[in-house]
Amino acid sequence: EVQLVESGGVLKQPGGSLRLSCAASGFTVSSHSMSWVRQAPGKGLEWVSLIYSGGRTSYADSVKGRFTISRDNSKNTLFLQMNSLRAEDTAVYYCARSPKGIATVDLYFDYWGQGTLVTVSS
Amino acid sequence: DIQMTQSPSSLSASVGDRVTITCRTSQSISNYLSWYQQKPGKAPKLLIYAASTLQSGVPSRFSGSGSGTDFTLTISSLQPEDFATYYCQQSSSTPLTFGGGTKVEIK
Repeated sequence: EVQLVESGGVLKQPGGSLRLSCAASGFTVSSHSMSWVRQAPGKGLEWVSLIYSGGRTSYADSVKGRFTISRDNSKNTLFLQMNSLRAEDTAVYYCARSPKGIATVDLYFDYWGQGTLVTVSS
Repeated sequence: DIQMTQSPSSLSASVGDRVTITCRTSQSISNYLSWYQQKPGKAPKLLIYAASTLQSGVPSRFSGSGSGTDFTLTISSLQPEDFATYYCQQSSSTPLTFGGGTKVEIK
């Protein structure tokens, strides 16, 4: 059974750093493209970042240069390093799996984690 | 970036009604369009991908159509468990983008 379990969400002050984790089971993270998608309170979905199966990464402009996506194949875990946090980064962060690993056109999301809440406030 | 415009932003409907939600993109995306359902406090759930392909396990009352810039999600006979918010998403190019959502409420 495919499962994604996020962790690491906390209350942080503006300017702080945080690392989110997404532990995967039932499949191999490195064989799929994996993304982070966030949802601010009461708002819609916003794609944040992705890592292709081959390791190439991509970011939304709103987080480029501040966030870094990575994975640990030995732990079958996805990460999101978040630096220079801003109030507008406050959201539930979901990790999501795409069914394939290579092509952008296959980047829809067939499995999602339960989400972890990041709050950025002084 | 490809802009996604969903309409309506909300609708009220009764059990048994036929419901149609529209998603329009700012440029052609072929059929690289997916639909998700989200209930309060829960993660989104994939309903349809490639504009019209039903995800495994999703009831057949859900259907999708369209290509290019105009897409629709149809629920043929609304059930109590279908009251939720629905999002479209394009995967033609990065940045991946979502529509603003359509909240389906009970009339």
